[in-house]
Amino acid sequence: EVQLVESGGGLVQPGRSLRLSCAASGFTFDDHAMHWVRQVPGKGLEWVSGISWNSVTIAYADSVRGRFTISRDNAKNSLSLQMNSLRVEDTALYYCVKDERTTVVKGMKLDYWGQGSLVTVSS
Amino acid sequence: DIQMTQSPSSLSASVGDRVTITCRASQSISSYLNWYQQKPGKAPKVLIYAASSLQSGVPSRFSGSGSGTDFTLTINSLQPEDFATYYCQQSYSVPWTFGQGTKAEIK
Repeated sequence: EVQLVESGGGLVQPGRSLRLSCAASGFTFDDHAMHWVRQVPGKGLEWVSGISWNSVTIAYADSVRGRFTISRDNAKNSLSLQMNSLRVEDTALYYCVKDERTTVVKGMKLDYWGQGSLVTVSS
Repeated sequence: DIQMTQSPSSLSASVGDRVTITCRASQSISSYLNWYQQKPGKAPKVLIYAASSLQSGVPSRFSGSGSGTDFTLTINSLQPEDFATYYCQQSYSVPWTFGQGTKAEIK
């Protein structure tokens, strides 16, 4: 059974940093691209970042580029999102999501989602 | 960026109804379109990929169609467990973008 378990969320002040982690199990982690998708409570979905199986291809939404860094450790079956210079508008539930494909490519499909980690940015 | 626009934003329907949700892309995306279902307090779940392919395990009352810029998700004979929010998402180019969602409620 595929499991994606996020951790690291919490309350942080604007301008500070936070690191989210995702522990993956139940599938061959290094065969798949991975993504972070966020959702403001009660609002829609926003793709944040994606990384290919070998970390060669990485992509970010404009809203986070230059502030967030996605990474993965295939030996530990883990995905991370380093979030710096956090803003109030980054407040959201952050989902770790598995891609059916191996890289960040046309035709991607988000086939398994974690339950999310809530990040609240507030003074 | 490719903008995805869904309509309606919400709908009210009865069990057994046929429901259609529309998604329009701001430019042609061929058939690179996925549909997701999200129930309250739960993570989204993929229903349809590549515009019309049914994800494994998803009931056959769900179907998708369209190509280019206009797409539809149809639910035949709406069931109680289908009351949820539905999102389309383009898989044509980065940044991957979602529609704003369509909330299906019980009439």
